[in-house]
Amino acid sequence: QKEVEQNSGPLSVPEGAIASLNCTYSDRGSQSFFWYRQYSGKSPELIMSIYSNGDKEDGRFTAQLNKASQYVSLLIRDSQPSDSATYLCAVIRGGMYSGGGADGLTFGKGTHLIIQP
Amino acid sequence: DGGITQSPKYLFRKEGQNVTLSCEQNLNHDAMYWYRQDPGQGLRLIYYSQIVNDFQKGDIAEGYSVSREKKESFPLTVTSAQKNPTAFYLCASSTVLNTEAFFGQGTRLTVV
Repeated sequence: QKEVEQNSGPLSVPEGAIASLNCTYSDRGSQSFFWYRQYSGKSPELIMSIYSNGDKEDGRFTAQLNKASQYVSLLIRDSQPSDSATYLCAVIRGGMYSGGGADGLTFGKGTHLIIQP
Repeated sequence: DGGITQSPKYLFRKEGQNVTLSCEQNLNHDAMYWYRQDPGQGLRLIYYSQIVNDFQKGDIAEGYSVSREKKESFPLTVTSAQKNPTAFYLCASSTVLNTEAFFGQGTRLTVV
């Protein structure tokens, strides 16, 4: 089982609609969760972090975490063409007590999001 | 301006050569990381360091080496033992280990 899984897409969403990006993770001991945005040929940019169950809102972005289901999502409201990018889900694993591996972020392969004007 | 600087932006390596990628940060972060990204893939951890003069292997350390002689600097050497080094290399740092990380602009390495 892959540690962090995302649908690779592409996910196509009309401009102004809500884009919903999903991520599941396998290490039940994981405590910290992040969403990064990566434009083609560029480095990842942190857009959201979430540490506890529930929703966290920042502008047009909402991160949702459900530790029981090992599921984290990102909602983008009022999608703009500039939101078109690859969105990477990243998790900090639980470490040795959860059977995790090395420290640092573990990334999914990313979801390619396309906002259609 | 505070940030993470990687150099060079593009690097070409001949077969059998070692090359060193530079990463410098002025954010006063204790932890630094090196990741590798292949086309259509997520990032994979090569090495990380949480303190000067100490570093740990990540998931794909074979064929790579690092040093951490200064808090600000974490260079990565891609050795000739790395059989498939062509990739996008990303350096990151965080205040302490296992918190949100911030990335440099990356180095694109190509074997010629």
